[in-house]
Amino acid sequence: EVHLVESGGGLVQPGGSLRLSCAASGFTFSSHWMHWVRQAPGKGLVWVSHINTDGSSTNYADSVKGRFTISRDNAKNTLYLQMNSLRAEDTAVYYCARDLKVTNWFDPWGQGTLVTVSS
Amino acid sequence: EIVLTQSPATLSLSPGERATLSCRASQSVSWYLAWYQQKPAQAPRLLIYDASNRAAGIPARFSGSGSGTDFTLTISSLEPEDFAVYYCQQRRSWPLTFGQGTRLEI
Repeated sequence: EVHLVESGGGLVQPGGSLRLSCAASGFTFSSHWMHWVRQAPGKGLVWVSHINTDGSSTNYADSVKGRFTISRDNAKNTLYLQMNSLRAEDTAVYYCARDLKVTNWFDPWGQGTLVTVSS
Repeated sequence: EIVLTQSPATLSLSPGERATLSCRASQSVSWYLAWYQQKPAQAPRLLIYDASNRAAGIPARFSGSGSGTDFTLTISSLEPEDFAVYYCQQRRSWPLTFGQGTRLEI
């Protein structure tokens, strides 16, 4: 069974940094694109970032470009999101999601980790 | 950026009824549209991809249709577990975008 487990969320001050991790199991991690998607409290879904299988190609939403960095360690079956210069508007549940066969569809999703940016 | 507009914002129906949810794109996304279901305190789940293909394990009462700019998710006969929020998503171009969601309530 495919499992995605996010960790690393928490409370951080504006301007601070945080690194999220997503541990993958139950599938060949190195064969799948991966994504981060976030959801602010009570709001809708917003795609954040994408990475291809070997990490050589990445894409970002304009709202996080230059501040967030997606990466992966295929030997550890783990996806990362390094978040710098955090703002209050970055407060959200962050989900990692597997790509469905190089399609940019998200299936499945992890359970999410909450990031709160506040002083 | 492609903007997806879902309607209605809230749909109130009863179990056994038919639900029709709409998603309109600001420009053509061809058939590159998916639908997700999200229940309270849960992660979203992929229901439909490429406009009309059901994802693995999704019941046949869920169906998708449309192409270009207008898409529909239909639930033929509502089960109690179908009451949730539904989102559409496009992959025609970066950035990937979602609609704002339709809440399906009893």
